[in-house]
Amino acid sequence: DAKTTQPPSMDCAEGRAANLPCNHSTISGNEYVYWYRQIHSQGPQYIIHGLKNNETNEMASLIITEDRKSSTLILPHATLRDTAVYYCIVRVDNGNQFYFGTGTSLTVIP
Amino acid sequence: GAVVSQHPSWVICKSGTSVKIECRSLDFQATTMFWYRQFPKQSLMLMATSNEGSKATYEQGVEKDKFLINHASLTLSTLTVTSAHPEDSSFYICSVRGGNEQYFGPGTRLTVT
Repeated sequence: DAKTTQPPSMDCAEGRAANLPCNHSTISGNEYVYWYRQIHSQGPQYIIHGLKNNETNEMASLIITEDRKSSTLILPHATLRDTAVYYCIVRVDNGNQFYFGTGTSLTVIP
Repeated sequence: GAVVSQHPSWVICKSGTSVKIECRSLDFQATTMFWYRQFPKQSLMLMATSNEGSKATYEQGVEKDKFLINHASLTLSTLTVTSAHPEDSSFYICSVRGGNEQYFGPGTRLTVT
């Protein structure tokens, strides 16, 4: 079962940073936080993942609170192509299944 | 990351018939693949874990006799929806486990009339 909660929807102005929150208050010490996104009628796309340190790649930054009970995905300069459903998932690293929660539908507005 | 394809991308079939969906890992040998189902405006629901050379593991509530999974090689897993009904109409997505990540296919839209 999904162990995360996310707001159902968010809007963001094009060119601005999009900050997507995720609560995972029951996360275990060996569970990582993963972020995927799904553009309409496509398969999910990997964005980023982390354990406890903040992570950054070419797509986004992941900020994890010190107590690891929540995290924020940051898209630094949102574009219209970033409109998608964003899923936050917790999973033991090198584990098997991903269980998806309800995700956040992000709409980037021109 | 791994490239995953699915075939067909969409299919329409009549109620009572069976439909086979293929999932291929194009550049990666996958001992484990996963099958998900997604209804409109809902999240992805894991159906089963497909293991190369052995029986699939099904999630609770998923009928293994209705959704037949075969993972005969390291690059191919198939999902057969047997005796399909309109309520089986959905978006079926497979994924490949690659290290710590999963790589998803583009999905197959099944419509049962």
